[in-house]
Amino acid sequence: GIQVEQSPPDLILQEGANSTLRCNFSDSVNNLQWFHQNPWGQLINLFYIPSGTKQNGRLSATTVATERYSLLYISSSQTTDSGVYFCAVADDTGRRALTFGSGTRLQVQP
Amino acid sequence: DAGVIQSPRHEVTEMGQEVTLRCKPISGHDYLFWYRQTMMRGLELLIYFNNNVPIDDSGMPEDRFSAKMPNASFSTLKIQPSEPRDSAVYFCASSAPGTGFRGTGELFFGEGSRLTVL
Repeated sequence: GIQVEQSPPDLILQEGANSTLRCNFSDSVNNLQWFHQNPWGQLINLFYIPSGTKQNGRLSATTVATERYSLLYISSSQTTDSGVYFCAVADDTGRRALTFGSGTRLQVQP
Repeated sequence: DAGVIQSPRHEVTEMGQEVTLRCKPISGHDYLFWYRQTMMRGLELLIYFNNNVPIDDSGMPEDRFSAKMPNASFSTLKIQPSEPRDSAVYFCASSAPGTGFRGTGELFFGEGSRLTVL
């Protein structure tokens, strides 16, 4: 099956700093989503982005499907951004289930 | 609209007992997924349904696990008998059909059911 690798595995930032999280995948995809798992365990949709670029406030994401990677940008980080960020993909075979990466654990310090 | 609703939120049981987890997907969504999250294995797919029919159950660990979807608004995941290694957070998620050929829909998760088997 498709492989998903996320980097870095852990990240510590000071409040106000910017960061880039990376997701590499091994095959063509027709679905890619970024999720934030908050400290209470909720999985929250950030972006549905199988290709192209999207922005939502301080967050933006870019997927370059031909090169099999996606980037999540967090600008002016806040303590509420802390948690685990997951990239998940579905390959281009018609299988609908998402395969998750192992996540990037982000800690934003005040 | 209400999101994906799961119950119970927390369950503590003893080894050997039967556990039933419940899920109500978002209205109009025709795909339903059960995932399990553990520290060791991360988020892994157990089974998913399309229009109430199981499509892929290859992630179900063993015969002790079973899942049903009797109608479009309800699904259950049952563990019988439960074992301590089943302790995990179980997530239900749903999605609508995607757009275009082979397009896949955006996935929405419930808040999860945290299971502890003593």
